Amino acid sequence: DTGVSQDPRHKITKRGQNVTFRCDPISEHNRLYWYRQTLGQGPEFLTYFQNEAQLEKSRLLSDRFSAERPKGSFSTLEIQRTEQGDSAMYLCASSLAGGLDADTQYFGPGTRLTVL
Amino acid sequence: AQSVTQLDSHVSVSEGTPVLLRCNYSSSYSPSLFWYVQHPNKGLQLLLKYTSAATLVKGINGFEAEFKKSETSFHLTKPSAHMSDAAEYFCVVSHGSSNTGKLIFGQGTTLQVKP
Repeated sequence: DTGVSQDPRHKITKRGQNVTFRCDPISEHNRLYWYRQTLGQGPEFLTYFQNEAQLEKSRLLSDRFSAERPKGSFSTLEIQRTEQGDSAMYLCASSLAGGLDADTQYFGPGTRLTVL
Repeated sequence: AQSVTQLDSHVSVSEGTPVLLRCNYSSSYSPSLFWYVQHPNKGLQLLLKYTSAATLVKGINGFEAEFKKSETSFHLTKPSAHMSDAAEYFCVVSHGSSNTGKLIFGQGTTLQVKP
């Protein structure tokens, strides 16, 4: 068990460019979550997958955002036509539905996005 | 709707003195409650978790929290602060495993530990 990993750790981009982030969850975890954390705030829920199905999306997730988890393993989060307001830390977490440890989400180190 | 309120945005204690970080929650369901810690430039780490078993929950690094339903509180305590405890702490509520399990975070409390 190597924990949740995210790539890249930092991304600097210019306004209007597209960016894609990757998250690799803990291998046996079937649930995967994306959160966004802006400076001085707690993380906010963006979207959730159970296996490959995207089951919930926050209203924060505008149509410029898309997330996938094609084979129920890793996930990608893409932001199109980035805006300065997208600058934030993007966090990925995973958990195992059911069992004693259900609900416990394990977080990756995050991807810090800066939009110039 | 569920929500979490952390009553202090910043707490400062001296090393070796007790720590109290306050959290109130609101939930229409039987909640699962968590405390996570975030050290600078590091990921969120789970400190402890309450899921309707014992109301006093012990976590890592000497932290514990008590679930008080009558007060809708879940305050985090530690008897003696250590310099390494300086970090951002988040109180978190979740529906529970029957739902999506998405987490609702409080605004965070910055813990400063003075020598």
